[in-house]
Amino acid sequence: GAGVSQSPRYKVAKRGQDVALRCDPISGHVSLFWYQQALGQGPEFLTYFQNEAQLDKSGLPSDRFFAERPEGSVSTLKIQRTQQEDSAVYLCASSLMYSNQPQHFGDGTRLSIL
Amino acid sequence: SQQGEEDPQALSIQEGENATMNCSYKTSINNLQWYRQNSGRGLVHLILIRSNEREKHSGRLRVTLDTSKKSSSLLITASRAADTASYFCATDDSGGFKTIFGAGTRLFVKA
Repeated sequence: GAGVSQSPRYKVAKRGQDVALRCDPISGHVSLFWYQQALGQGPEFLTYFQNEAQLDKSGLPSDRFFAERPEGSVSTLKIQRTQQEDSAVYLCASSLMYSNQPQHFGDGTRLSIL
Repeated sequence: SQQGEEDPQALSIQEGENATMNCSYKTSINNLQWYRQNSGRGLVHLILIRSNEREKHSGRLRVTLDTSKKSSSLLITASRAADTASYFCATDDSGGFKTIFGAGTRLFVKA
C-alpha cells in the first residue's frame, strides 16, 4: 500500500492503562506529524518529526504523552496512565520533505478510554 | 484553542449549486492549504496556495487568499453529492513546524 497506515484502527482501554499507537508513513517521507482530533473539531497538532529528530513537541498535552520515530520511518505515540479526556481520534500524517508541504493522512486510531 | 476560524460551520446545498467556505487565521503564514475529510477517514489534501498568490484553481475548486485580512475562501463549483464532507483550512506556523487547522465547515450536498 502506498498510503499512510495507522494501527490499531480502534482502541478501547480502561482509565489508567498505557496505550501505544503506530504510524507507518509513506516510504521516503521525511516529515511526520501526529494530531489529536476531537469529535466535530479540526485536528490539533501534537508533535512533528523530521526523519528521527523530534523538532516540535509543543502540542503534547502533558508528560503522559510521548512520541518516537527511532529510525526515521515508523512512529509510535504512547499515552501513559490514560484518562477519559484522552478519548479522541489520533491522526498521523507524512509529507515528502518539509513541514509546509501537502500532508498525507492515515485514517486514524479512534481511542476510547472507559 | 490555536485553531483558525471557518464559516459557516455547516452548509447544506442542492447538487449543482456552488459552495463557498471561508477561513480566517491569526498569524503570518508561508502558505495555506485546504483539506477535506469524509466521515471516519483521514484528511485529503485539496490545494495549497502560497502567501504571494492571490488565487488558485484546481478543477472545480477555486481558492483565494487575502493576507492583509488574514483570510481565505474555498469555492466548489457545480457541487455533487460526493462533495459531502468536512473541509478544513490549515496554515503553517511561520518560522515553525506546526500546522494549525481550523474547526472546519461541514458541507452537505443534497442529490
